[in-house]
Amino acid sequence: DAGVTQSPTHLIKTRGQQVTLRCSPKSGHDTVSWYQQALGQGPQFIFQYYEEEERQRGNFPDRFSGHQFPNYSSELNVNALLLGDSALYLCASSSRTGNTGELFFGEGSRLTVL
Amino acid sequence: RKEVEQDPGPFNVPEGATVAFNCTYSNSASQSFFWYRQDCRKEPKLLMSVYSSGNEDGRFTAQLNRASQYISLLIRDSKLSDSATYLCVVNNPNSGYALNFGKGTSLLVTP
Repeated sequence: DAGVTQSPTHLIKTRGQQVTLRCSPKSGHDTVSWYQQALGQGPQFIFQYYEEEERQRGNFPDRFSGHQFPNYSSELNVNALLLGDSALYLCASSSRTGNTGELFFGEGSRLTVL
Repeated sequence: RKEVEQDPGPFNVPEGATVAFNCTYSNSASQSFFWYRQDCRKEPKLLMSVYSSGNEDGRFTAQLNRASQYISLLIRDSKLSDSATYLCVVNNPNSGYALNFGKGTSLLVTP
């Protein structure tokens, strides 16, 4: 049973560039959430996708956008990168029928912005 | 004030010790509470949910005090493999589907 997979695992970008991160949810899951975890901090909610639509958004600027595909996989896009966007980006999948608090996280994509 | 606040840590304890972590939350309407564990440079994983009556899972005991808006996690007979960061997580009606994570408390169990 494949868990949540994310790609790439590491990447380095420069300020002003754009990045796309990808996520495949755990088998049987239909909901994907994205979290940003800065060094020494807890994960912060970016947004959640369900039925190919953004169901809820956290306190992040419009530079952060996403998409969910019919196979439930998802992308996170960040435009006009800032140094402060350097963080671990975590994708979490869940099932609408499961425990609200039980998220299954991928290993994350570690983004460094220079 | 942050939604979820935790002991800053780090906690360094010898094997076999009992250690307790505390967490407070700001929204009295919060309904769901969890402890997640995160190993170094790895993803968070659900350790246990926290129920109003308190609950136990092996060496781990979680308690909830709604009046004080306080959650605790007790680890008995610490193992080297318990070394990790423990994240307190809260969900409230205002946050909808989002989980609110604390900064985490780092635990190092030494031989």
